[in-house]
Amino acid sequence: LAKTTQPISMDSYEGQEVNITCSHNNIATNDYITWYQQFPSQGPRFIIQGYKTKVTNEVASLFIPADRKSSTLSLPRVSLSDTAVYYCLVGDTPRAAGNKLTFGGGTRVLVKP
Amino acid sequence: GAVVSQHPSWVICKSGTSVKIECRSLDFQATTMFWYRQFPKQSLMLMATSNEGSKATYEQGVEKDKFLINHASLTLSTLTVTSAHPEDSSFYICSAPVGPSSYNSPLHFGNGTRLTVT
Repeated sequence: LAKTTQPISMDSYEGQEVNITCSHNNIATNDYITWYQQFPSQGPRFIIQGYKTKVTNEVASLFIPADRKSSTLSLPRVSLSDTAVYYCLVGDTPRAAGNKLTFGGGTRVLVKP
Repeated sequence: GAVVSQHPSWVICKSGTSVKIECRSLDFQATTMFWYRQFPKQSLMLMATSNEGSKATYEQGVEKDKFLINHASLTLSTLTVTSAHPEDSSFYICSAPVGPSSYNSPLHFGNGTRLTVT
């Protein structure tokens, strides 16, 4: 199971772009990269998922270099409501026997006015 | 979109009693569900994998006789904390993968259950 490393915390200001990089040096061929957002006293919420290159949706972009040993979640023009903990997970489909998605420490993002 | 409903959202119980937490998939079938525990300011810790129609798989260090998991249908998994003690006080969260089995399936999470044992 690929271990992930993220910065513990990041501060930003409203309107800025926030980039969070996750390292996963031992990512396996079948592994996807998934990011989740968690607010206090709530369950995590799926943000974005990718396998390689770049993925973009209505809330974020995910950049994955060719070697896939890291990935960067990009949050454009953050607002105060984006203050949360962001988790990077790497793994194969959780349906497969023996696979289990474990959470790393996450990155606590604080958006200031 | 896919919704995972967890109930109750919070519960307070006395030491020595048992508490049941329900996790339902509202608009999809979940053959697998995951149960996590989260202490304040910490990350989620996977406790067990709940499998419909078969025994749950517990992570190392998680007592299966204390944390009873039942996954009797494709839309419901329950976690029962038996003989709860104050150290069991935590935030319990369930999740289920949503998507075709042939693809990596993102997890959808319930809103968690705050358990306080007095």
